[in-house]
Amino acid sequence: NAGVTQTPKFRILKIGQSMTLQCTQDMNHNYMYWYRQDPGMGLKLIYYSVGAGITDKGEVPNGYNVSRSTTEDFPLRLELAAPSQTSVYFCASSYVGGSDTQYFGPGTRLTVL
Amino acid sequence: AQSVTQLGSHVSVSEGALVLLRCNYSSSVPPYLFWYVQYPNQGLQLLLKYTSAATLVKGINGFEAEFKKSETSFHLTKPSAHMSDAAEYFCAVSDGSGTYKYIFGTGTRLKVLA
Repeated sequence: NAGVTQTPKFRILKIGQSMTLQCTQDMNHNYMYWYRQDPGMGLKLIYYSVGAGITDKGEVPNGYNVSRSTTEDFPLRLELAAPSQTSVYFCASSYVGGSDTQYFGPGTRLTVL
Repeated sequence: AQSVTQLGSHVSVSEGALVLLRCNYSSSVPPYLFWYVQYPNQGLQLLLKYTSAATLVKGINGFEAEFKKSETSFHLTKPSAHMSDAAEYFCAVSDGSGTYKYIFGTGTRLKVLA
């Protein structure tokens, strides 16, 4: 199993550009999550999904969109990039929620200039 | 609302010394508690978790944590630090009430001195 994979690893965007961060898991997990990590701030939940076709907002959803058309994929879309979106983005998945372990991808480092 | 507080954003210990990383939580329902480790330029991986079974939880790499309800704490310990333990450690809480979301602490960066 590859686990949770994310592409790209690094990206530099100009203000106002758009991009999609890809996330795929091969563990047949129902739940998937997107976090952003900023220095000294820990991880903040952007969006999560409890199954294909079902998504919900986390703590910091503004400026992002998601979709979940398959169990495996959970892409994160930035429509109009802003410097405040410079961060490291992590995708994670778990079989169920609550007490279940979340498995993390290696992250995407995004810089918006 | 749930919250997690990690005391000390940076902790330094000598190789072979005791590691103690502090985590206090707030939750209105019985919590599930987790410790994750993040090595440089990598994602997070689970060290251990408490899910209302034994209060002393043993994890990977010699780490353990004790759930103390009266102190609302879940501190992480390791008897003898190794150079390879240098990393960032995150405590997280989930209440499993249907939100299926974790709340992460702000992290503690552990430095191990030779």
